[in-house]
Amino acid sequence: GENVEQHPSTLSVQEGDSAVIKCTYSDSASNYFPWYKQELGKGPQLIIDIRSNVGEKKDQRIAVTLNKTAKHFSLHITETQPEDSAVYFCAATTLFPLGTDKLIFGTGTRLQVFP
Amino acid sequence: GAGVSQSPSNKVTEKGKDVELRCDPISGHTALYWYRQSLGQGLEFLIYFQGNSAPDKSGLPSDRFSAERTGGSVSTLTIQRTQQEDSAVYLCASSFIWVGTSGIRSDEQYFGPGTRLTVT
Repeated sequence: GENVEQHPSTLSVQEGDSAVIKCTYSDSASNYFPWYKQELGKGPQLIIDIRSNVGEKKDQRIAVTLNKTAKHFSLHITETQPEDSAVYFCAATTLFPLGTDKLIFGTGTRLQVFP
Repeated sequence: GAGVSQSPSNKVTEKGKDVELRCDPISGHTALYWYRQSLGQGLEFLIYFQGNSAPDKSGLPSDRFSAERTGGSVSTLTIQRTQQEDSAVYLCASSFIWVGTSGIRSDEQYFGPGTRLTVT
């Protein structure tokens, strides 16, 4: 089955700096890679995703890159702000109808942005 | 519109008791997922529903765990004879699967706030 590894487990940056979180996956059939942000006491919130037919996607300060050959994908946050502080999870899955969309998550990265 | 809701938000139960956790998905979402988040295991998949059927139950940790979905909407996760290792946050997510010109596609999964279960 799919296995997702995520690094680093913690990341501290100064406000305004960039943050990068990296994930690797094992199943070459995986074709959908979402990133979730989880704040204390809340459920995960989707912040960006990428499908296997593209290599990069950007949404304002957030971008995700995908390297299918190497089976890794990364989250890039630029101009970080204190409100970006949270736990970030990457995930991988094979979408319906080839799969069941069940998300396999990485172990999470606790991002702290210091003012 | 309303998001995924879960109840109760917190549940404390004694070891050996049964518990029921409820999930109300986003209206119209055909797919529903249960996940568990614990300190030792991270976020792990439990079960997936498409409509009222569960084609993937591979994540249920033991036969003490079961789930059902009725009317293609509300789902209940039941844990029988709870054990201390069942303590975790149980998360529900829903998504919409549609048929388009390029074939069948599924949408993003939206998570509820979770139910924190503590077994004493």
